[in-house]
Amino acid sequence: GAVVSQHPSRVICKSGTSVKIECRSLDFQATTMFWYRQFPKQSLMLMATSNEGSKATYEQGVEKDKFLINHASLTLSTLTVTSAHPEDSSFYICSAWTGGPYEQYFGPGTRLTVT
Amino acid sequence: AQSVTQLGSHVSVSEGALVLLRCNYSSSVPPYLFWYVQYPNQGLQLLLKYTSAATLVKGINGFEAEFKKSETSFHLTKPSAHMSDAAEYFCAVSGPPGGTSYGKLTFGQGTILTVHP
Repeated sequence: GAVVSQHPSRVICKSGTSVKIECRSLDFQATTMFWYRQFPKQSLMLMATSNEGSKATYEQGVEKDKFLINHASLTLSTLTVTSAHPEDSSFYICSAWTGGPYEQYFGPGTRLTVT
Repeated sequence: AQSVTQLGSHVSVSEGALVLLRCNYSSSVPPYLFWYVQYPNQGLQLLLKYTSAATLVKGINGFEAEFKKSETSFHLTKPSAHMSDAAEYFCAVSGPPGGTSYGKLTFGQGTILTVHP
């Protein structure tokens, strides 16, 4: 099946710094990538939809200036958490989608801890 | 608007017993429905999906689910549980092609399945 990778798998950073998370579709081209966050013992919440070559669309309540998303190619999307704070600590998961027939392929996730 | 409710945050079964994980949805458009499994500290793996074709959907690892429009349900079942089935399971809904919610998954709260020897 299709493979989606995320890097890094785990990251610890200090409060106030920025962290970049990469999401790559390894064996297919993804017209759309989605970014989710998952707090401990909770479900996944969609943060934003990223289409190659265009600006990301953010869900209500997600700060676009804090969570910068870049989708520069059909195989790579990046999420940058700017000026991270402890409350940003979470599990960030991306998914990649070809657009049809419908199926999203999920990455393994990135555990972010802000100290 | 779409939403998903998974009844029971924890389900415990014995190895070999029937697995039943409940999912009810709400959607203003014909839904696409999915079940995903998540192992600790990993991403999600698709078990099966309903995309308006057959109402009984068979997935991987012996799982299946039945779409019941009258009950707005999409319960996940497996006749005989294995120890390896222990994980967290998420039901999700999306809209059909052409709609604004197409591709955007709304997840339920998740159900942790424990399998006892």
